[in-house]
Amino acid sequence: GQQLNQSPQSMFIQEGEDVSMNCTSSSIFNTWLWYKQEPGEGPVLLIALYKAGELTSNGRLTAQFGITRKDSFLNISASIPSDVGIYFCAGRTYSGGGADGLTFGKGTHLIIQP
Amino acid sequence: AAGVIQSPRHLIKEKRETATLKCYPIPRHDTVYWYQQGPGQDPQFLISFYEKMQSDKGSIPDRFSAQQFSDYHSELNMSSLELGDSALYFCASSLGGDSYEQYFGPGTRLTVT
Repeated sequence: GQQLNQSPQSMFIQEGEDVSMNCTSSSIFNTWLWYKQEPGEGPVLLIALYKAGELTSNGRLTAQFGITRKDSFLNISASIPSDVGIYFCAGRTYSGGGADGLTFGKGTHLIIQP
Repeated sequence: AAGVIQSPRHLIKEKRETATLKCYPIPRHDTVYWYQQGPGQDPQFLISFYEKMQSDKGSIPDRFSAQQFSDYHSELNMSSLELGDSALYFCASSLGGDSYEQYFGPGTRLTVT
């Protein structure tokens, strides 16, 4: 099946630093989404990307849909303690039937040192 | 804003028992998805429903079944539970069968002993 390679697996950064993570795939995706998950909770949608080359921001978060449709990155600027969590990329292919399930990356565990 | 509601939040069952998880989508959302997340793993797609019809199918075991009802809530039925079924089960909902944005509920933690 389809696989998403997400890197890095974990990041230890200082408060105030910028963060960058990415996902790559051997398959083409029609939609890329980025989620944040905290322990014991459901993933929270951060950004959705619909078109190749699209660059979208949500506050301090910026994400891009790669031009080849096989990759995406997420940047977080000026990190703060509440940014701690696991960030997942997720891709969707259009099967024609609608309501397609998402394929998730393995996640990037963000740890912020004060 | 109203979110996806899942019940129960925690469930403990013994091997070979059955379990039923419920999902109430965001109001006006007509599409639901079920995911399973093992410890330290990423969510794995199980099955989805749009307008009460099964739409997409992922890695759902034959021991599991699901349906969507006329009020758009969904239930995941799990039989002959195994230790490996212990996981977080998430329901997500979206508006329209082709909606790109899936919003997740808080999950049901199933523990099989």
